[in-house]
Amino acid sequence: SQQGEEDPQALSIQEGENATMNCSYKTSINNLQWYRQNSGRGLVHLILIRSNEREKHSGRLRVTLDTSKKSSSLLITASRAADTASYFCATQRRGTYKYIFGTGTRLKVLA
Amino acid sequence: GAVVSQHPSWVICKSGTSVKIECRSLDFQATTMFWYRQFPKQSLMLMATSNEGSKATYEQGVEKDKFLINHASLTLSTLTVTSAHPEDSSFYICSASPGPLGSGELFFGEGSRLTVL
Repeated sequence: SQQGEEDPQALSIQEGENATMNCSYKTSINNLQWYRQNSGRGLVHLILIRSNEREKHSGRLRVTLDTSKKSSSLLITASRAADTASYFCATQRRGTYKYIFGTGTRLKVLA
Repeated sequence: GAVVSQHPSWVICKSGTSVKIECRSLDFQATTMFWYRQFPKQSLMLMATSNEGSKATYEQGVEKDKFLINHASLTLSTLTVTSAHPEDSSFYICSASPGPLGSGELFFGEGSRLTVL
């Protein structure tokens, strides 16, 4: 069953603006990961954040994790048209090795 | 990063036939691989966990006789959709991790789009 809920479901912004996507989950986790998917393609890993971490950065990406609220956010700064894609969070439930994906956010960056 | 390869990338078949999809880890060994299914504009649904040398573990609601999984080696898992019907049309994606489960990122294949006529 799906564990994660993401919002917004769709987001449309202008190039250069920041994009923020949120992910909420229901149970305790080992870690949470963010992935990107271009239409009809496989998934590309963006960032992994462990349950004892609160924030991680990678280039223009910033991920936060609030385990008390069971939520995470992905911030893409200075967006580019090439960032247009679907973004998914995936959580690994504590005590298991399976990853369950959120509903995803479809981001469109307008040039 | 690690590479996972899927084949075929797309397949069209007639209703009632069986289709095999391969998932290979090209530069690492994977004792466990995961198979996901994705409908258009939807998220990935975990179908089953493929375990090398043993039976796959299926998620609730997934028919094991319909979706046969074989993980015969440390670099290859196959998903066979048996007696395919139009409702089985979907995007199937596999993933694997080079490290101990839970230690790091999953690497995904490019997916296989199945269309059943």
